[in-house]
Amino acid sequence: DTAVSQTPKYLVTQMGNDKSIKCEQNLGHDTMYWYKQDSKKFLKIMFSYNNKELIINETVPNRFSPKSPDKAHLNLHINSLELGDSAVYFCASSLEGRVSGNTIYFGEGSWLTVV
Amino acid sequence: EDKVVQSPLSLVVHEGDTVTLNCSYEVTNFRSLLWYKQEKKAPTFLFMLTSSGIEKKSGRLSSILDKKELFSILNITATQTGDSAVYLCAVGGSKKLVFGKGTKLTVNP
Repeated sequence: DTAVSQTPKYLVTQMGNDKSIKCEQNLGHDTMYWYKQDSKKFLKIMFSYNNKELIINETVPNRFSPKSPDKAHLNLHINSLELGDSAVYFCASSLEGRVSGNTIYFGEGSWLTVV
Repeated sequence: EDKVVQSPLSLVVHEGDTVTLNCSYEVTNFRSLLWYKQEKKAPTFLFMLTSSGIEKKSGRLSSILDKKELFSILNITATQTGDSAVYLCAVGGSKKLVFGKGTKLTVNP
């Protein structure tokens, strides 16, 4: 009965490959996010979608492209993977499209290793 | 029910003043408390606090956590107009991050 689920949990791939991480939430939330956890374990927001519309797009290389087929899904596609893309990527969702006064629910993370 | 309460909700000061922002919380399975500064759309990370009594400092900003009394404060000394923003407190529990409503700080020249 997972609220926010993302797949795959672990992914090892070679430089230059293209890969996708999928995310689904069954909470009925309107807003979904992708975060990247950096080496210091800090979460940094990458993208945010509200009802399939992109509302936050931080300074992220163009090789990263989010896709939201419906408000319950937000997938992350990464082209031409580089070594520096190795990180844990977290999907999250919230009821409204703002963090203030809100609760953001996180998936368990997808550990991407680029070799 | 988990909750994070920030005070004051808004604050207007003059450049050079020192301000203290407050954050109290009730969250099950407490993991960490985070402070963010929000000027545009996405909040900018400031501090993460996990242990009581240890002050985190970055330039004119500092923060401390009291896990016994369940609160944290964010201090900003010698404020500048560039400090004007909404400051958000968030408390991390199990697989979730609960945000307060924020304190809107306005620093006038």
